[in-house]
Amino acid sequence: DGGITQSPKYLFRKEGQNVTLSCEQNLNHDAMYWYRQDPGQGLRLIYYSQIVNDFQKGDIAEGYSVSREKKESFPLTVTSAQKNPTAFYLCASSSGASGSGSEQYFGPGTRLTVT
Amino acid sequence: AQSVTQLDSQVPVFEEAPVELRCNYSSSVSVYLFWYVQYPNQGLQLLLKYLSGSTLVKGINGFEAEFNKSQTSFHLRKPSVHISDTAEYFCAVSGLGYSTLTFGKGTMLLVSP
Repeated sequence: DGGITQSPKYLFRKEGQNVTLSCEQNLNHDAMYWYRQDPGQGLRLIYYSQIVNDFQKGDIAEGYSVSREKKESFPLTVTSAQKNPTAFYLCASSSGASGSGSEQYFGPGTRLTVT
Repeated sequence: AQSVTQLDSQVPVFEEAPVELRCNYSSSVSVYLFWYVQYPNQGLQLLLKYLSGSTLVKGINGFEAEFNKSQTSFHLRKPSVHISDTAEYFCAVSGLGYSTLTFGKGTMLLVSP
């Protein structure tokens, strides 16, 4: 089945530690996205990548980093500089840019809890 | 710039009643519009999208939405809801030439027997 996988489903970390969230897609999509979801805030864009080896900051990139070395993979690192990292993180992909009408397909999400 | 406003954070309804979830958008260019549904602790699933053509768009699970350019709205409707429709619904917009989607803050649809 084609789709997006995110692992793990739940992740627990101590404050001050970096943590990497995995996102893999087998849809052969060029574009990939990372969102953060907090209750009542909707989805906020962290980073996106339209092509391998290139990515752009979204609205809330501070304290996060990404890489896009392979078309199918777009890992997100939550660094110790992120002041409030506890949230639900969603990865998505699309065949083209949203402004061309391409819909985004979402993974199941990773719930990160930092204490 | 583009933005989306979902006017209701929660909409409680009884089973088999009709429902409308409201969405207004702002953009300086032509837009593409999307409605997504999210069940608890899951990712988002596309319900329907408006790209061009007929302003009435039909989606999955009996949902439909109407694009109204003059009122900059894209309200989602269902004539008769089921308990299983209880979920959070997100409206999203992307302007022509933009690389990303802008999401509203979501509307929680609560269906009770």
